[in-house]
Amino acid sequence: AQKITQTQPGMFVQEKEAVTLDCTYDTSDPSYGLFWYKQPSSGEMIFLIYQGSYDQQNATEGRYSLNFQKARKSANLVISASQLGDSAMYFCAMRLPNTGNQFYFGTGTSLTVIP
Amino acid sequence: AAGVIQSPRHLIKEKRETATLKCYPIPRHDTVYWYQQGPGQDPQFLISFYEKMQSDKGSIPDRFSAQQFSDYHSELNMSSLELGDSALYFCASSLPGLGYTFGSGTRLTVV
Repeated sequence: AQKITQTQPGMFVQEKEAVTLDCTYDTSDPSYGLFWYKQPSSGEMIFLIYQGSYDQQNATEGRYSLNFQKARKSANLVISASQLGDSAMYFCAMRLPNTGNQFYFGTGTSLTVIP
Repeated sequence: AAGVIQSPRHLIKEKRETATLKCYPIPRHDTVYWYQQGPGQDPQFLISFYEKMQSDKGSIPDRFSAQQFSDYHSELNMSSLELGDSALYFCASSLPGLGYTFGSGTRLTVV
């Protein structure tokens, strides 16, 4: 069963605008970590932001923020002031410390920033 | 800062050949993970090692094997290669309970 769902295969955003990439997750484990990674066309996986299941505040890292709604099991990534270099694939992932620590990835969202 | 090093970056092999991918984790990271990402797919977990012992196993074919050595580097051995094995192979390392760091990946093309 898919543990991470990203429903937006592709998104477009105007340069300098904000964009929200959706992610919902499914687990009954109370302890989990949620991650967002950026994968440019070169292929490497670049860590963006992390949210722990017990964190009270939404995570922020520069232009990235994570809108964590625990009751709705969503962990949307918000990118503010989009830049052309933000064009890439974005993967939401969940890590379950109690079941081996492997990552469960979503299918990704391809973001294109338009000048 | 040192990152996770994977070699080679690119590899081209023929069907039925073997391939060995190498991963050098961040110093003092004791856990290594291998992922396979097919074209247009999300990464799929293959196998992980903690302190040189296999700790978890995902969708790794029987034709593949992996190990972690005394210096904590890991190797993924792939035999009887098939066209469908063409993918980006990621290695990641971590300390227990902390976040991953991914390597830049090895792009394997089977022709």
